[in-house]
Amino acid sequence: AQTVTQSQPEMSVQEAETVTLSCTYDTSESDYYLFWYKQPPSRQMILVIRQEAYKQQNATENRFSVNFQKAAKSFSLKISDSQLGDAAMYFCAYRSLLTEGNSKLTFGKGITLSVRP
Amino acid sequence: DTGVSQDPRHKITKRGQNVTFRCDPISEHNRLYWYRQTLGQGPEFLTYFQNEAQLEKSRLLSDRFSAERPKGSFSTLEIQRTEQGDSAMYLCASSRSNEQFFGPGTRLTVL
Repeated sequence: AQTVTQSQPEMSVQEAETVTLSCTYDTSESDYYLFWYKQPPSRQMILVIRQEAYKQQNATENRFSVNFQKAAKSFSLKISDSQLGDAAMYFCAYRSLLTEGNSKLTFGKGITLSVRP
Repeated sequence: DTGVSQDPRHKITKRGQNVTFRCDPISEHNRLYWYRQTLGQGPEFLTYFQNEAQLEKSRLLSDRFSAERPKGSFSTLEIQRTEQGDSAMYLCASSRSNEQFFGPGTRLTVL
């Protein structure tokens, strides 16, 4: 079974600065997806960024980028130019591609990011 | 807005009572998922539907839990004889491809 580990429970960043959130995972599979989801307080979870394991190029979405190290099974999220609205809980998630159809997600425990004005 | 909706948003019940939650997925999304999230944890997979067929259930889903998706549209999750350990946020998500869209969740408190 796959596992996702987020070892930092909390992080804080100054507004306009850059912060990196860490995630490691364990799998014996070679093809899979990795995701970062954002869950603001009392609001629903939204997708921040996605990485396909077969792609060597790191995914980027505006101020959000990932550092995907497949051999090390590491998938960190970098948030540049942090904004107050980035304050939320962030979850790293794994999706297997072996199970046809069922694309259930396996989540880490999450990290609470606070942004200081 | 045609996002995923869930009802009710909050439910407080006494131990031993039955509760039912509803999820309305995004229109034309054939896949629907239920997750459970406890405080300080990430969501954990409970069950999955493709259209009206329930294709997988987690071992977390005890016999007191049942889920349905009649006609492949909305879904219901019922918990019978609730226990205090059932207190959690129950999340629904739907998808048509690689991305899952989550609803706001139903927060269940069992007294």
